Amino acid sequence: ETGVTQSPTHLIKTRGQQVTLRCSSQSGHNTVSWYQQALGQGPQFIFQYYREEENGRGNFPPRFSGLQFPNYSSELNVNALELDDSALYLCASSPSQGALTGELFFGEGSRLTVL
Amino acid sequence: AQSVTQLGSHVSVSEGALVLLRCNYSSSVPPYLFWYVQYPNQGLQLLLKYTSAATLVKGINGFEAEFKKSETSFHLTKPSAHMSDAAEYFCAVSVSDTGNQFYFGTGTSLTVIP
Repeated sequence: ETGVTQSPTHLIKTRGQQVTLRCSSQSGHNTVSWYQQALGQGPQFIFQYYREEENGRGNFPPRFSGLQFPNYSSELNVNALELDDSALYLCASSPSQGALTGELFFGEGSRLTVL
Repeated sequence: AQSVTQLGSHVSVSEGALVLLRCNYSSSVPPYLFWYVQYPNQGLQLLLKYTSAATLVKGINGFEAEFKKSETSFHLTKPSAHMSDAAEYFCAVSVSDTGNQFYFGTGTSLTVIP
């Protein structure tokens, strides 16, 4: 069983640029959530995708956008990068959209540095 | 609104000693509660979860947590710390079966002293 994989693992961008982060969900999982983890903080919910539709969004501006593909993999796009966007971006897949299973399976994250 | 407070950003215990990591939550409806562990350079891994069944929940690696509604707490314990328990621990809350947003605390870094 392949776990959640994210790419790239590290990247450096400058202010104003755009970035795309990618996530392959665990086999059999139809739900993908994205979280931002700033240094010394807990993960903050960005949004969730369920069957290719956005299914909930946290307190992040519209320049954070995403996609989910038919194979349930997902992308997180961030436009007009700001210094505060520097963080570890975590992708988590789950077999359903609900909390009952509690089974968020996390990837190892993509560490973004904005200069 | 839902939130989680983890008291103590850093906790140190001796190997073999009791581990106690504190978590208090705020929720206007019955919550689902979770503890996740993050080892260096790895993603988060589920330790245990409370989903309105037994209030004492047992997880992996000998950890357990007790849901106390009157105290709005969900503290994580382990009777005897092992060196391999050194990691970052996160408490999280979600508020319904269809809840798609997990609210995480700021984490507690556990150090185990040999």
